[in-house]
Amino acid sequence: ETGVTQTPRHLVMGMTNKKSLKCEQHLGHNAMYWYKQSAKKPLELMFVYSLEERVENNSVPSRFSPECPNSSHLFLHLHTLQPEDSALYLCASSQERNNEFGKFFGPGTRLTVL
Amino acid sequence: QKEVEQNSGPLSVPEGAIASLNCTYSDRGSQSFFWYRQYSGKSPELIMFIYSNGDKEDGRFTAQLNKASQYVSLLIRDSQPSDSATYLCAVNMGTSYDKVIFGPGTSLSVIP
Repeated sequence: ETGVTQTPRHLVMGMTNKKSLKCEQHLGHNAMYWYKQSAKKPLELMFVYSLEERVENNSVPSRFSPECPNSSHLFLHLHTLQPEDSALYLCASSQERNNEFGKFFGPGTRLTVL
Repeated sequence: QKEVEQNSGPLSVPEGAIASLNCTYSDRGSQSFFWYRQYSGKSPELIMFIYSNGDKEDGRFTAQLNKASQYVSLLIRDSQPSDSATYLCAVNMGTSYDKVIFGPGTSLSVIP
């Protein structure tokens, strides 16, 4: 296990459900990220938080809502998702937003939307 | 043109051989470059980063960067079956902000 943890590891939800993904980093990093990894597609950056402030939102649908209450915790709130949202959702952190030393990823949450 | 491209796989090499993984990128102003390894069913793991032209060695891994030609490569010497994974190239195309673009990955299989 890395210094970035994610819960739950697996999630199955219906299109009308509301759920949240949680990420916690124990590395003292200042930046946190949400990525989506779908089969046969490159990693897609969804959100970037730097010092608890959202600095980037890559045209993500509003059914995904991030929250960063402090520099160690990051949430992704999900509601009225679509089956095409089924994917591996990865949280990552880096020392600084300019990412000079790369990112450390959590184990991911495998999401299935029925 | 795709922003970050990697040689299509899967790439198969015999155990003990050198595996060569290539990556090209479109933004000439890119400053930092990363290689991640992702085992099946696991999350990406950072193995190398490089900023300057030339070679950077870390154990059996060597990253090579040529900014003029806009490519970065990863060499794995003495390949082991445990090196079998997908290797992701990532390029930071930002200077004052984070714009890291990942390539699609190259699947490597090391045959015992």
